[in-house]
Amino acid sequence: GAVVSQHPSRVICKSGTSVKIECRSLDFQATTMFWYRQFPKKSLMLMATSNEGSKATYEQGVEKDKFLINHASLTLSTLTVTSAHPEDSSFYICSATRGSGMNTGELFFGEGSRLTVL
Amino acid sequence: QKEVEQDPGPLSVPEGAIVSLNCTYSNSAFQYFMWYRQYSRKGPELLMYTYSSGNKEDGRFTAQVDKSSKYISLFIRDSQPSDSATYLCAMSGSNFGNEKLTFGTGTRLTIIP
Repeated sequence: GAVVSQHPSRVICKSGTSVKIECRSLDFQATTMFWYRQFPKKSLMLMATSNEGSKATYEQGVEKDKFLINHASLTLSTLTVTSAHPEDSSFYICSATRGSGMNTGELFFGEGSRLTVL
Repeated sequence: QKEVEQDPGPLSVPEGAIVSLNCTYSNSAFQYFMWYRQYSRKGPELLMYTYSSGNKEDGRFTAQVDKSSKYISLFIRDSQPSDSATYLCAMSGSNFGNEKLTFGTGTRLTIIP
């Protein structure tokens, strides 16, 4: 299957710093990428939908200025957690799709990035 | 009420047993139903998907969708220790791929050798 790569897989930072997480589709062009957050023993919570070349669509309750999403190319989307605080510590996962409708299954997840804010 | 309900478990069964995992949902607009497997500290990987009602079989895995009851199931036959993971159901409307998936909380499954 297609490969979605996330980097870094694990990051530890100090409170107040910003952290950038990259999501790359390695062997296909991703028209749409999704960013999720997952708390322990909880479901994936969609944070935003990112379409190449346009502004991300954020879910209700997600701070746009805190979680900056950029989808500058068809193979790369980035999530920047600005001025991170301990409550931002979580597992962040991206997913990418190359189609819609009956291309069911064409949604691939990255390996996730575990952020720990001290 | 959550759009998708899934028993978080944990669920432990002996190796070789048949495992039944289930989700219920409330949104009648859902048309695509998926099951993802997630190993610890990894991203989810798609196991199976079904469009609308019906059954689908893939090796030891069978997915069932009953839209009239808003109930979906995943059966694992001859369960193996390597099946130990968290299983998430997910659903989408007709514009799958361009709209968000709604996930269940995931069921943590352990297969005991």
